[in-house]
Amino acid sequence: QLVLTQSPSVSASLGASVKLTCTLSSGHSNYAIAWHQQRPEKGPRYLMKVNSDGSHSKGDGIPARFSGSRSGAERSLTISSLQSEDEADYYCQTSGTGPWVFGGGTKLTVL
Amino acid sequence: QVQLQESGPGLVKPSETLSLTCAVSGGSVSSGDYYWSWIRQPPGKGLRWIGYIYYGGSTDYNPSLKSRVTISVDTSKNQFSLKLSSVTAADTAVYYCARELILTGYMSWGQGTLVTVSS
Repeated sequence: QLVLTQSPSVSASLGASVKLTCTLSSGHSNYAIAWHQQRPEKGPRYLMKVNSDGSHSKGDGIPARFSGSRSGAERSLTISSLQSEDEADYYCQTSGTGPWVFGGGTKLTVL
Repeated sequence: QVQLQESGPGLVKPSETLSLTCAVSGGSVSSGDYYWSWIRQPPGKGLRWIGYIYYGGSTDYNPSLKSRVTISVDTSKNQFSLKLSSVTAADTAVYYCARELILTGYMSWGQGTLVTVSS
């Protein structure tokens, strides 16, 4: 069964960098995933897709300080130069064909 | 730029059928390039995929909801719809429609609509 595992919460300081991770369950390490941002009381916003080779393609208007990467079964979202507006929930999601699965989400707090 | 807008009753009684539509502007639901999807989010919880329709009518549903879900497309109105039968309080959620470009994974989301199941 495909499961995406995310840390429930992360905190980082204004101006710092933070790396959020999404781990694919055993046997599914080659899946592409998408990252979505959900600010408080708002709907989700597509950030990017991270492919199985680690390349990523971002959505329209997503700042350059958002980037994606891969290491084995782990897919990462790195946000540099953290701003207060980055405080949000971040969800990973399997992308492409087959049943979609969402991770449980990571709540990012900007200190 | 595509815009997606959900609409439908905000209150549904237990055991009845929840029906929502997603109006699409700036794009065509007839396009075979996209997954047209429904996703929901119970209050205070994470996102849950419901299902999608693609390739001119093919569908794929979350196994946990499959027996109760139907997603369809109305090309004349350029919209797609969700029907969820035999609802209970556990189906109370914000329901989002979304579109994913199959080749690139690029997604667009609707604003979401809250549906409460209560008598």
